[in-house]
Amino acid sequence: DAGVIQSPRHEVTEMGQEVTLRCKPISGHNSLFWYRQTMMRGLELLIYFNNNVPIDDSGMPEDRFSAKMPNASFSTLKIQPSEPRDSAVYFCASSLSNRTGVVQFFGPGTRLTVL
Amino acid sequence: SQQGEEDPQALSIQEGENATMNCSYKTSINNLQWYRQNSGRGLVHLILIRSNEREKHSGRLRVTLDTSKKSSSLLITASRAADTASYFCATALRAARQLTFGSGTQLTVLP
Repeated sequence: DAGVIQSPRHEVTEMGQEVTLRCKPISGHNSLFWYRQTMMRGLELLIYFNNNVPIDDSGMPEDRFSAKMPNASFSTLKIQPSEPRDSAVYFCASSLSNRTGVVQFFGPGTRLTVL
Repeated sequence: SQQGEEDPQALSIQEGENATMNCSYKTSINNLQWYRQNSGRGLVHLILIRSNEREKHSGRLRVTLDTSKKSSSLLITASRAADTASYFCATALRAARQLTFGSGTQLTVLP
C-alpha cells in the first residue's frame, strides 16, 4: 500500500515567490496534519484537518501561510509570499482518527529552500 | 514550551549496548508515542503506551510510563548500527486529536 505522498520532494525558490506543497494522505484516513521541522524549532504542528475540515490552525505562523483540503485525498499548503525564514522541511501526516491520539503516518517531507 | 522534552539530546553508544532515552511532559495525557526519524526521512511510529499502562514491549523496544512523574523512557536493547536515528516522544492530550512532539534524541550506534 502507498504511504503518504508528498510533492515536490525538494523546492528551491526565491524570496517573494509563491510556493505550493502537496500531500496525498493514506486512503481511508480521515485526519491530515501539516508540520514544519527546523533545527531551531524542532517539529511544529501548523494545521490539522479532520474529515477535510480545518480543526486547528493555531500553528500557522502568519497570514502568508494557507492550507486547503478540497477532498479526502488531497491537501495543499501554500506560502505566499515566501521568505528565507520559511526554509524548512515540511511534513504531511495522516491518521485514522475516531478518538484521541491515534498513530500518525508521515510522508517523506518537502525540503523547502527560500533564497 | 513543548509538551514533551527528550533527554539526552544526543547519545552515542557501541553496537550491542543498550540505549535509554527519556521524555518528560507537563500535562495529563491520553497516551504517549515514540517515533523514529532516519536522516532525511519522515517520522515512523514505533510504539504507543496508554496512560493506564506502565510498561510495553515491542521486539527490542521497551517503553515505560510513569504518569505520577509525567515521564517515559524508551529502551533499545542490543543496539545495531541501523538504529542510528533521531527518536521523538509525542504526547496525545485528553481533549485533542493532535500530537505534540518533543525535541528528539539523536542516537548514534557505532559499529
